[in-house]
Amino acid sequence: EVQVLESGGGLVQPGGSLRLSCTASGFTFSNYAMSWVRQAPGKGLEWVSGITISGGTTYYADSVKGRFTISRDNSMNTLYLQMNSLRAEDTAVYHCAKARGGTYYKDAFDIWGRGAMVTVSS
Amino acid sequence: DIQMTQSPSSLSASVGDRVSITCQASQDISNYLNWYQQRPGKAPDLLIYDASNLQTGVPSRFSGSVSRTYFTLSISNLQPEDAATYYCQQYHSLPVTFGGGTKVEI
Repeated sequence: EVQVLESGGGLVQPGGSLRLSCTASGFTFSNYAMSWVRQAPGKGLEWVSGITISGGTTYYADSVKGRFTISRDNSMNTLYLQMNSLRAEDTAVYHCAKARGGTYYKDAFDIWGRGAMVTVSS
Repeated sequence: DIQMTQSPSSLSASVGDRVSITCQASQDISNYLNWYQQRPGKAPDLLIYDASNLQTGVPSRFSGSVSRTYFTLSISNLQPEDAATYYCQQYHSLPVTFGGGTKVEI
């Protein structure tokens, strides 16, 4: 079965850090760009970051630029999101999503994980 | 950033009805428009990609179309399991952006 599974969410204080992981299975992870998309409680979808198949090119939404870092380990079929200097407005479910077409993250997302909840609160 | 305006924000319909949801981009996005369904507590599912292409496994009662800058998701013969929130998404330009969502109640 083709799937991705996020982990690493939790409660963190403002200014703190957290690292999310996304483990892929059922497809050749190294052939597909990946993204993180978040959803604040009761709100819509917001694309956070994307990474190409090699990891050589990344993109960040302005809301997280300079604070979040996306990376991947193709040997471990795993995508990461390092989140630093967290703010209350970063509270959301963070979904890992696979690009449908392959190499670039500017694409449709055909496989989504159920998400990891990140709560930023004192 | 490209703004995606979705309408209506919610609708209520009956089983067997046909409903339509529209999405308008703030600038030309060609056909780089996708539609997703998100049931409560679940991850989004891709329904339509590139404006009118049905994703594998999606029932044929879902369809997508485009007229100038207006994109439409249509659901015919509405079923109880279609109760969900639907989102459009453009990927013509970075950052990728989503519409605000349309909640469909049956």
